[in-house]
Amino acid sequence: GESVGLHLPTLSVQEGDNSIINCAYSNSASDYFIWYKQESGKGPQFIIDIRSNMDKRQGQRVTVLLNKTVKHLSLQIAATQPGDSAVYFCADLSWGYSTLTFGKGTMLLVSP
Amino acid sequence: GAVVSQHPSWVICKSGTSVKIECRSLDFQATTMFWYRQFPKQSLMLMATSNEGSKATYEQGVEKDKFLINHASLTLSTLTVTSAHPEDSSFYICSACPTGNQPQHFGDGTRLSIL
Repeated sequence: GESVGLHLPTLSVQEGDNSIINCAYSNSASDYFIWYKQESGKGPQFIIDIRSNMDKRQGQRVTVLLNKTVKHLSLQIAATQPGDSAVYFCADLSWGYSTLTFGKGTMLLVSP
Repeated sequence: GAVVSQHPSWVICKSGTSVKIECRSLDFQATTMFWYRQFPKQSLMLMATSNEGSKATYEQGVEKDKFLINHASLTLSTLTVTSAHPEDSSFYICSACPTGNQPQHFGDGTRLSIL
């Protein structure tokens, strides 16, 4: 992900809406990407990952899209629920390296 | 599977105290663990990579004598914040990979408050 800022972008949605969270990364050599969900006071929880040889991957209610041309990653959450409220981070990693680079994060607020 | 446990979850200490945080992989062995620091409303910043049986690799700007890391077994890494001061107050999180092809799994973090 890109370098950290001091203000967390926020996305507010209504329950049942679809949510799209975006992330830009800067390392063109990155070939593995992960989305994590972090609830308040807890560590990040793995949601879904994608490798650079794919441009889309689907999980349960979540879809990750990868556009390597513009170094952009998105997380789509279908039928967003109040329990989805959290901060979402993208992270990327290059082949041969084990260290992740985290994006700045987006806070998702879901209203009932 | 792939559970990472941290202890303690919250600690409040006086300035000058040294604080030890434990990170355990409960159901897998981890030759490598990672320590992160997170300030409120910010992202995770990697502090160091902990290597079992050898010295930790610290990121630029992280004082190795301030943040002592010990990875004495395949399931335990410890981070000791020596002579902690209020500016060391933060959320410290560890992670580990079950295997090289799997994503990092994170502990639930330790909130450190130095008075």
